[in-house]
Amino acid sequence: GQQVMQIPQYQHVQEGEDFTTYCNSSTTLSNIQWYKQRPGGHPVFLIQLVKSGEVKKQKRLTFQFGEAKKNSSLHITATQTTDVGTYFCAGPARLTFGEGTQLTVNP
Amino acid sequence: NAGVTQTPKFRILKIGQSMTLQCTQDMNHNYMYWYRQDPGMGLKLIYYSVGAGITDKGEVPNGYNVSRSTTEDFPLRLELAAPSQTSVYFCASSYVGSLNTEAFFGQGTRLTVV
Repeated sequence: GQQVMQIPQYQHVQEGEDFTTYCNSSTTLSNIQWYKQRPGGHPVFLIQLVKSGEVKKQKRLTFQFGEAKKNSSLHITATQTTDVGTYFCAGPARLTFGEGTQLTVNP
Repeated sequence: NAGVTQTPKFRILKIGQSMTLQCTQDMNHNYMYWYRQDPGMGLKLIYYSVGAGITDKGEVPNGYNVSRSTTEDFPLRLELAAPSQTSVYFCASSYVGSLNTEAFFGQGTRLTVV
């Protein structure tokens, strides 16, 4: 079945540094979604990407969908302590999640 | 709208006991999902449903059962609980068939089997 792989598994940054997480699939995806889960919380939808090469921004967050629609990335500029949590990508088939990237931010 | 509601929030079970985790959504979503999340790990799909009366296995279905008699409800049944089923369980729903298939999650059920 469809699987999405995410790297890195963990990322620790100093506040103000940038952060990027990558999501890769062996198959072409019709769309990809990104979610954030705060410690002790539940996943919350961030964005959905549909088009090849699509780039979307939400304040300091930039999401990209690869030209081949097999990979995606989430980049956070100038991290803040409020960015702490685990970021997941999810493929459309049965809403399959990657393992997530756990971000910690040192103030 | 309440969104996705899961009950209970916490539960301790003894080995061999059974229980049902309840999940209900009021958004008229066709798809519903059950995931388990072990500490520090990702979300593993247990079962999902594409509509009332239709369910299918996910990645880790063993030890669980589901039913979907209505659009709103998607209970997860644990028979003969085992320590390996200690986890946090999330129910989610989404509407597949429109452009935006955003999934909404419940608050989770923290289950401990002792």
